[in-house]
Parts: sequence; C-alpha cells; structure tokens
Amino acid sequence: AQSVTQPDIHITVSEGASLELRCNYSYGATPYLFWYVQSPGQGLQLLLKYFSGDTLVQGIKGFEAEFKRSQSSFNLRKPSVHWSDAAEYFCAVGGGYQKVTFGTGTKLQVIP
Amino acid sequence: DTAVSQTPKYLVTQMGNDKSIKCEQNLGHDTMYWYKQDSKKFLKIMFSYNNKELIINETVPNRFSPKSPDKAHLNLHINSLELGDSAVYFCASSQRGGRAGDTQYFGPGTRLTVL
Repeated sequence: AQSVTQPDIHITVSEGASLELRCNYSYGATPYLFWYVQSPGQGLQLLLKYFSGDTLVQGIKGFEAEFKRSQSSFNLRKPSVHWSDAAEYFCAVGGGYQKVTFGTGTKLQVIP
Repeated sequence: DTAVSQTPKYLVTQMGNDKSIKCEQNLGHDTMYWYKQDSKKFLKIMFSYNNKELIINETVPNRFSPKSPDKAHLNLHINSLELGDSAVYFCASSQRGGRAGDTQYFGPGTRLTVL
C-alpha cells in the first residue's frame, strides 16, 4: 500500500531564511509525487508535481522539490522564505488510477 | 470566477440530523472527489466520481452518500450525524478520468460541527 511520511509536524523559520520540508514515500512502482499548500481557511493548492524526467522540479511561488529514488524522498525547498509562505504543506503520492494519498502535513511558521 | 465552490462554508448541527454539502466545479473536469480533513489536518479521500460514475469508495460509513447529478456537481449527504463526523470536508476536481497524476483543484472546504 502506498504511504507518505512527513516527519516534521511543525517548522519555524525566520523570514529570509532557507526552507526544507521533508517527505518520504512508499510506492511499488514509479509514483506521481506532489506538494500542496493549504493557507489558513483555504483549500489545497498544487505547488508542484513530479513523475519522470529531471529530478529537480520547479513549482509556483519559488518552490522546488528534488526526487531521490534511492532515499524514497521528495523534499520541498525554498531559498528565501516570505511571511506569506506560512501555511500547512502536504506531500502526496499516487499512481495509475489509484487514489492519491496525502501525508499528515507540516505546519510552517515564519517569524520576522 | 470560483473554480471549485462548496456550500455551505460552515455547518453546525445536532447529532442525529441529516445534512447535505454541495459542490460545483466550472473547470470542465471529468472527475470529482470528496475528502475529509480531521482536527489533526489528516486528509483522507472518501469518494471519487468520474463522469457521474463512482470510481473510488473508501471505507466510509453507509450514512455518507455521494450523489453526482452531472459531472460538474458532486453532493454529499450525511444521515444520522455523529460527533465523529465533525471535520472539514473538501471537494476537489481533476481533469481526466481519475488518473492519480492529474492535478486536483480543491474547493474552500465546509467546516462541519456536530453538537
């Protein structure tokens, strides 16, 4: 069965600092991998997704993620965090016509 | 223009009542979903419809019944509400036949509180 682990429940970073959110997945074949962001009181919005090709994926809002098959990881990064990036971030995995499984989320707090 | 809309945004009701949540998407997508997000933010799929046909039906109590009158609408009816049904319910849609790789577009959510 597919699964996603986001080991960090809550992360605090200073505005302007770099950010890395961790995601590990379990899937039997080549997965689709996603990062979604949920701002307070809002639905989820796709930041980026990966299936094949270049293992470094660029997304919206200056985010990128790197797929590492050997580590079953798909970590999200941003070189300089803005206060507006404070939100909940969800990693997700899926494949074929199966459902997409979401991780439990990482809450990002940005301090001035 | 709202891509995926849900009504109501908030729903407060007593245990044992029956309630419905409506979802509409104007993206022309074929597939729609219902998710439940609990108090710990865990997001779990409940149902998925493709062109009005049920394609995913997770382990959800029979009290929950989705209905898709057309491919732009997916409603969720809940009978005999229980305290444990309190959550945020998200509707989502994607373009093509429920493929996992398709981007899902989420509505703003309906916060259901059962007293």
